[in-house]
Amino acid sequence: DTGVSQDPRHKITKRGQNVTFRCDPISEHNRLYWYRQTLGQGPEFLTYFQNEAQLEKSRLLSDRFSAERPKGSFSTLEIQRTEQGDSAMYLCASSSTGGNMDQPQHFGDGTRLSIL
Amino acid sequence: AQKVTQAQTEISVVEKEDVTLDCVYETRDTTYYLFWYKQPPSGELVFLIRRNSFDEQNEISGRYSWNFQKSTSSFNFTITASQVVDSAVYFCALLYNFNKFYFGSGTKLNVKP
Repeated sequence: DTGVSQDPRHKITKRGQNVTFRCDPISEHNRLYWYRQTLGQGPEFLTYFQNEAQLEKSRLLSDRFSAERPKGSFSTLEIQRTEQGDSAMYLCASSSTGGNMDQPQHFGDGTRLSIL
Repeated sequence: AQKVTQAQTEISVVEKEDVTLDCVYETRDTTYYLFWYKQPPSGELVFLIRRNSFDEQNEISGRYSWNFQKSTSSFNFTITASQVVDSAVYFCALLYNFNKFYFGSGTKLNVKP
């Protein structure tokens, strides 16, 4: 299967703990995106990478959040000192750049984070 | 500022009815892309269609059709002869600056047998 893979699917943790999520994009895709989706809302952009370079960060991404894509393949999103408001679905997407038209983003199943 | 409005929070129809999901967008960019994604209960966002701002041709794909009108900044999605499997949340999204995706709040479609 060559879809976007995210791990874990669910994470339950106590407030104040650190969590890390992983995303494996479609192998030939050079762009990787992280989104957050809360109940009843559309996904909100957090950050994106082109290859290993993090090119954009939303103001939603506080200093407790950090994302990496060290080799331009998989990516990790870490949240330090989690808070109740961090409870959400974290979605990863990937796409390739092609000619004059960007390709659609393909999404993974997401990681659902619940903060106790 | 970019904005995508999906005014219909939830729609319920009976199987075989036609249904149109509305999407209105705002952007100052002259080059942008519009997308529709489907999110079934399993959670994964499934790409349905992409249109660029220079192509106002409507598109039909099976039971799905899309009506893009720049004059009204709308990109509406119609499902003909709806089926229970069409039940999902549908998101309209605007891609601008070639990398910034802005999603609407979604329309939940319930198709009853």
